[in-house]
Amino acid sequence: DTEVTQTPKHLVMGMTNKKSLKCEQHMGHRAMYWYKQKAKKPPELMFVYSYEKLSINESVPSRFSPECPNSSLLNLHLHALQPEDSALYLCASSQGGGAGDYGYTFGSGTRLTVV
Amino acid sequence: GQSLEQPSEVTAVEGAIVQINCTYQTSGFYGLSWYQQHDGGAPTFLSYNALDGLEETGRFSSFLSRSDSYGYLLLQELQMKDSASYFCAVGSTGFQKLVFGTGTRLLVSP
Repeated sequence: DTEVTQTPKHLVMGMTNKKSLKCEQHMGHRAMYWYKQKAKKPPELMFVYSYEKLSINESVPSRFSPECPNSSLLNLHLHALQPEDSALYLCASSQGGGAGDYGYTFGSGTRLTVV
Repeated sequence: GQSLEQPSEVTAVEGAIVQINCTYQTSGFYGLSWYQQHDGGAPTFLSYNALDGLEETGRFSSFLSRSDSYGYLLLQELQMKDSASYFCAVGSTGFQKLVFGTGTRLLVSP
């Protein structure tokens, strides 16, 4: 199994809603990531979970909160989002999470629309 | 700061050869990789260069010159399905272990 599975594929939510994005990998990778991607832009890293340690991009607002139940799962909880948060949210994994990692495996993404 | 610059768009016809350039400035360097992303899809890994020179994978080749902080992706025998965005990415120190370039949109016409 060489996939990263993300659910749901599409999500429309109101600004007062609470929702969660789910991500799972079974490749034995030790690092998982959440990226946000706006149209025609590169992916922006939001969170990294590597070797049981969570690292946070300080520019990410607190209305996004990651949760890592185990080394194969990395969820993203969403609360009180704004319309500008509408984007493609990508989960990825890599072998170790170090600077020398390459060949990240990305999930198919969740297309999020905030109304 | 960290930056990876690519041309925003490249156009070519089927069967042609196209080169997508990437110049980078990063804190630390741990190899240059390339990703392909079709509209609405996920980035998929194409190639990786840790050392200077050319790496070939089928129709795709990737080149790196560390002294020039420069690399390129070469796509040969272009097909319509190659129309996509292409991102270079550098392994780097700091929070962003993989820093992505600005992306190049490749349009292949018949």
